[in-house]
Amino acid sequence: NAGVMQNPRHLVRRRGQEARLRCSPVKGHSHVYWYRQLPEEGLKFMVYLQKENIIDESGMPKERFSAEFPKEGPSILRIQQVVRGDSAAYFCASSPTKGAGNNEQFFGPGTRLTVL
Amino acid sequence: GENVEQHPSTLSVQEGDSAVIKCTYSDSASNYFPWYKQELGKGPQLIIDIRSNVGEKKDQRIAVTLNKTAKHFSLHITETQPEDSAVYFCAATDSGYSTLTFGKGTMLLVSP
Repeated sequence: NAGVMQNPRHLVRRRGQEARLRCSPVKGHSHVYWYRQLPEEGLKFMVYLQKENIIDESGMPKERFSAEFPKEGPSILRIQQVVRGDSAAYFCASSPTKGAGNNEQFFGPGTRLTVL
Repeated sequence: GENVEQHPSTLSVQEGDSAVIKCTYSDSASNYFPWYKQELGKGPQLIIDIRSNVGEKKDQRIAVTLNKTAKHFSLHITETQPEDSAVYFCAATDSGYSTLTFGKGTMLLVSP
């Protein structure tokens, strides 16, 4: 029973490079959420995806950030032209069903992005 | 949108004491309130949750209470142990779908 898998666990990029963060949800889960955690702060919602669809991206910056959850393979959070302010821990969570606040979300271990 | 406030930001207790963490929320439509424990370098782990149709839920040393009228909910940990030391987050969901709005967290330190 593998939980949510994220890789890499740590990622170092120089300013201007691209960062790709991967998330494999719990087997059988079709809903994926990405959150960002800045130092000493809570988690902030970024984007909610179902297979092949972006449901809510209201928490995602309008530029440089994109996310996908293809029919096959992991969900990808992509950050283009990274800046130092992108340094944070990025967490992925998955849940099995959609509902009006009835889902348990299971979190992965996170990817810690450092931008030099 | 939803706004969740959490207090205190840090809490130090002696082993065996009780710890209480409080959260308030703003959206009366929120109906699911989970609590997460995050240890250093790890992802948040769900420890207990409560839905809006109940006022209290207990699981061994952990309990959560919900006051819908006042829009606040609390986490109670009894007989604290050093391994309870971690950051605890409360969260709430707007109705519709389950994107979580988190509080800023409480760092709990349990001293032996």
